[in-house]
Amino acid sequence: ILNVEQSPQSLHVQEGDSTNFTCSFPSSNFYALHWYRWETAKSPEALFVMTLNGDEKKKGRISATLNTKEGYSYLYIKGSQPEDSATYLCAFLSSNTGKLIFGQGTTLQVKP
Amino acid sequence: GAVVSQHPSRVICKSGTSVKIECRSLDFQATTMFWYRQFPKQSLMLMATSNEGSKATYEQGVEKDKFLINHASLTLSTLTVTSAHPEDSSFYICSASDPQRPQHFGDGTRLSIL
Repeated sequence: ILNVEQSPQSLHVQEGDSTNFTCSFPSSNFYALHWYRWETAKSPEALFVMTLNGDEKKKGRISATLNTKEGYSYLYIKGSQPEDSATYLCAFLSSNTGKLIFGQGTTLQVKP
Repeated sequence: GAVVSQHPSRVICKSGTSVKIECRSLDFQATTMFWYRQFPKQSLMLMATSNEGSKATYEQGVEKDKFLINHASLTLSTLTVTSAHPEDSSFYICSASDPQRPQHFGDGTRLSIL
């Protein structure tokens, strides 16, 4: 069974704090790693699709890194704002199955 | 704007009722759509892959006679939960796009069976 784990499960920070969370995934049969932001009552929105070991991608204050050899990706948010409050999902795409396997998500709450 | 539309967003119905959920791609053609289910505090679990013009591919443990999938056109896939029971109460969400690309998700359907 392929396992994708995210930690922490939830996080509460103050506005302005920088934060990061982890997605760990199998280190074999890697094809891609997806990150999504899922706000309440909305659909998940794609943030990044990462494919190469050592990749670092950035979108505004949010960035992500990828280590396929050890099977982890970090998502960083610099200077968190209340509008960053959401659940952040990662999903591992196996080259074996061609299917996305999702982690449970990290729920971020940013207090003003 | 949304590129995948899913409805209804919420269904509450009696045990034994069949419930149909629609997933439409609004501005692109989707030969493949995916149906996921999420139980409380768990991850999105792939139920089945819906293929336009052919039979859906179901994941292990998902009953194909229980969860009927029809993908009759390039813009519409439907999931019908037949004779739903309380244990089928869950959050169901569809997505479209090649798995290698960012997925476009619907807003999801909260199904509650009384």
